[in-house]
Amino acid sequence: GENVEQHPSTLSVQEGDSAVIKCTYSDSASNYFPWYKQELGKRPQLIIDIRSNVGEKKDQRIAVTLNKTAKHFSLHITETQPEDSAVYFCAANRDRGSTLGRLYFGRGTQLTVWP
Amino acid sequence: ETGVTQTPRHLVMGMTNKKSLKCEQHLGHNAMYWYKQSAKKPLELMFVYNFKEQTENNSVPSRFSPECPNSSHLFLHLHTLQPEDSALYLCASSQEVGTSAFYEQYFGPGTRLTVT
Repeated sequence: GENVEQHPSTLSVQEGDSAVIKCTYSDSASNYFPWYKQELGKRPQLIIDIRSNVGEKKDQRIAVTLNKTAKHFSLHITETQPEDSAVYFCAANRDRGSTLGRLYFGRGTQLTVWP
Repeated sequence: ETGVTQTPRHLVMGMTNKKSLKCEQHLGHNAMYWYKQSAKKPLELMFVYNFKEQTENNSVPSRFSPECPNSSHLFLHLHTLQPEDSALYLCASSQEVGTSAFYEQYFGPGTRLTVT
């Protein structure tokens, strides 16, 4: 099955700095890579995703890059703000060719942005 | 109510109790999921339902029993649980189309379960 590794497990940055979280996956057939943000006591919510036909996707201060050859993808947050503090999860799908895919999640990164 | 709702939000039960968790999605999706979220562990996929049919059971112990009476409702029946089953149980839904498309999963707020 799919194995998703995520690093670092904790990350502290000063407000205004950039934050980068990296994930690797094992299944070369994976073609969908979402990132979820989970604030304390709240549900995970999708913040950005990327499919295997592109190498980079950007949405305001958030960007995701994908290297299919190396099987890794990264989340980049620029100009961090205290409200970016949360646990971030990466995930990769494993499509068996059925009508339903599966998401396998990394262990999460606790990001803390200090004012 | 909009999105994905879960009840109860908190549950404390003894090891000999029987209880059920409920999930309801108001998004018109055709797939629903149960996940277990423990401290310092990744989100663990437990069960997947597509069009009310269970399509995956990730080697979950039989003390967890899912039920999906229709595409909007999902239950997780619990009996004779162990303390290590204490966790946040998250329900999610998505709209699956075709063999290659994969769409965003919308999560419920979760049920915080404590087994004493």
